Amino acid sequence: TQLLEQSPQFLSIQEGENLTVYCNSSSVFSSLQWYRQEPGEGPVLLVTVVTGGEVKKLKRLTFQFGDARKDSSLHITAAQPGDTGLYLCAGRTQGGSEKLVFGKGTKLTVNP
Amino acid sequence: GAVVSQHPSWVICKSGTSVKIECRSLDFQATTMFWYRQFPKQSLMLMATSNEGSKATYEQGVEKDKFLINHASLTLSTLTVTSAHPEDSSFYICSARRDITEAFFGQGTRLTVV
Repeated sequence: TQLLEQSPQFLSIQEGENLTVYCNSSSVFSSLQWYRQEPGEGPVLLVTVVTGGEVKKLKRLTFQFGDARKDSSLHITAAQPGDTGLYLCAGRTQGGSEKLVFGKGTKLTVNP
Repeated sequence: GAVVSQHPSWVICKSGTSVKIECRSLDFQATTMFWYRQFPKQSLMLMATSNEGSKATYEQGVEKDKFLINHASLTLSTLTVTSAHPEDSSFYICSARRDITEAFFGQGTRLTVV
């Protein structure tokens, strides 16, 4: 079973539209990260959220960590072609685990 | 963000040979590094956790004799794919943990075994 469920799996939108990507689990995470990965490259860390209910903004990207620390969302405002990529959420389960559990990712395509 | 460098970026090798991939944390010390494998259009699969000065911890189903991991210093971990076969062809990615909450990834190594 997948510990972190990401949705949607694929998303194709026009430039200027808004979108939200979800990351859900039945497990509680001590921290959760969002990464963006482009083809042939490693994931690049976008943000880390730690506190339940936390909201972080990175330019047009808004990240939210659920109050119960079981879910997270990434909202992009006025998407641009440069936002195209694979968005991955990853979390550390409670108990101080060193391992990052990854979702399957959301493949976003922003068309000009 | 912190910098993790992986080398080589891509490698082609003959079946039966061994290939070594290096992962270096350039601007911080990493007592723990992780090795992942990623198949096309899929997410990252953790292969093993590499701890400086001790043996690596392998995930279930990963052959430790085939995927040798050495973490000899606080800035370098290596993954050696021994006796490589075409089914080992994949995208291998390392990450280094800077602190309790953050890990940074290398750029990945595309391995093709012919």
